[in-house]
Amino acid sequence: DTEVTQTPKHLVMGMTNKKSLKCEQHMGHRAMYWYKQKAKKPPELMFVYSYEKLSINESVPSRFSPECPNSSLLNLHLHALQPEDSALYLCASSQDAYRVDQPQHFGDGTRLSIL
Amino acid sequence: GENVEQHPSTLSVQEGDSAVIKCTYSDSASNYFPWYKQELGKRPQLIIDIRSNVGEKKDQRIAVTLNKTAKHFSLHITETQPEDSAVYFCAASIAGSGGGADGLTFGKGTHLIIQP
Repeated sequence: DTEVTQTPKHLVMGMTNKKSLKCEQHMGHRAMYWYKQKAKKPPELMFVYSYEKLSINESVPSRFSPECPNSSLLNLHLHALQPEDSALYLCASSQDAYRVDQPQHFGDGTRLSIL
Repeated sequence: GENVEQHPSTLSVQEGDSAVIKCTYSDSASNYFPWYKQELGKRPQLIIDIRSNVGEKKDQRIAVTLNKTAKHFSLHITETQPEDSAVYFCAASIAGSGGGADGLTFGKGTHLIIQP
C-alpha cells in the first residue's frame, strides 16, 4: 500500500473549470514534489516544497498553482488548462528537505483529462 | 541542468536470464541515483538506489553499479521472472540552490519484457 495518498484518482475537466488535486502523507516527510507524466514518458518535475515553502518551480505555467497548507498536505490548483495538460500527475515525498539523497516515494497519481 | 540518458529503450530477455540497463548523467555534482519500476497504470516504485560514495549495491536479484569518473550507472537483474516485466527508469538528483531537497531528473525509461 502506498503511503502517499492522492485524490482524486481520475479527473475530467473542461478548459474553463477550476479544480484541485490533493496529496497527503503521514510519514513526517518534509519535502514534497509534483511531477507530470505523459504516456510512455518519464515523470517531469514541476514543483518542490521544502518545509512547506516552495523551493523549486520548474518554469511551470501559471495555470498550475501549488499550495502546501501544512507538512502533510500538498495541493495543485488547476485553472484554464489546455488539452496538452492531460497527463498523470504524481505527488512524491521524501524525509529530509536538506538532503538530496533521500528516497522519494510516489503516490498512485491523478489521471487528468482536459476536454 | 542535469541530463540523463538511458539505454536500451526496449529490452527483451528469456525468463531466467539476466538484464542490464545503462544510464549516463551529465552533471558531475549529482550524488544520488535511484531506480524505479513502473507497471502499466501504476505509480513508480523505488527498487534500489545508490549514493555517490558507493560503487555497488545489491539487494537479492537486483544490483546497481556506479562509475563516477565515467558518469554512468547500471541496473542488473539476475534470474529474471515474468513479474519483472515493466518500465524501468533511472534518475539522478543534484543539490538545489539552497543545498536542500531537489527533484529527480529521469531517464526516458526501458521497457523490459521477460519472455517465458
